[in-house]
Amino acid sequence: DFVMTQTPLSSPVTLGQPASISCRSSQSLVHSDGNTYLSWLQQRPGQPPRLLIYKISNRFSGVPDRFSGSGAGTDFTLKISRVEAEDVGVYYCMQATHFPRTFGQGTKVEIK
Amino acid sequence: EVQLLESGGALVQPGGSLRLSCAASGFTFSNYGMAWVRQAPGKGLEWVSTISGSGGNTHYADSVKGRFTISRDNSRNTLYLQMNSLRAEDTAVYSCARDVGAGDHFFDYWGQGTLVTVSS
Repeated sequence: DFVMTQTPLSSPVTLGQPASISCRSSQSLVHSDGNTYLSWLQQRPGQPPRLLIYKISNRFSGVPDRFSGSGAGTDFTLKISRVEAEDVGVYYCMQATHFPRTFGQGTKVEIK
Repeated sequence: EVQLLESGGALVQPGGSLRLSCAASGFTFSNYGMAWVRQAPGKGLEWVSTISGSGGNTHYADSVKGRFTISRDNSRNTLYLQMNSLRAEDTAVYSCARDVGAGDHFFDYWGQGTLVTVSS
């Protein structure tokens, strides 16, 4: 299976400051079609997951531009340029290049 | 507006069966793959199964293979998950998600989920 490892698992952040989450895959996530199906999801407390970023760096509809994704191959990063109170929650990376689909363990973002 | 509404969750004894449903609206259901993802209490996300838009292709996590069956009724815009031989470790909130498909692969919309508890 394609193991997804996120760091850190917890990220206390001051409001208005940046946050960064890393996601590393045990194998390359480049699909045979040339795309890399790495996405980032946000799960606010008591809510279902919400798509933020797809194919490494594409923001989904309605996602604020303070969220950005980058990376290639096996190493990927989600950045929040200035954390707001509504950003509190757990963030997951997910790969959909290969079956089984796999998720990172989740990174909890909280306000200091 | 895309909406996904799961139902069918319940308390069931180990070894029992349950069928979950996911009613979809706001999009042409048959044009999209669909998936089930579960989340055990206090834990992370675990992909369970995916089905293509036509229903002709399915994939399963090893943890449920041979026990769970994903299916869909495109005339009813409904996705199903038949769960047999349930175990305590299947206890989780089960959510359906739309797989954007059309040559792309990511889950763009998610339902709220339905709770399955396996316990005697």
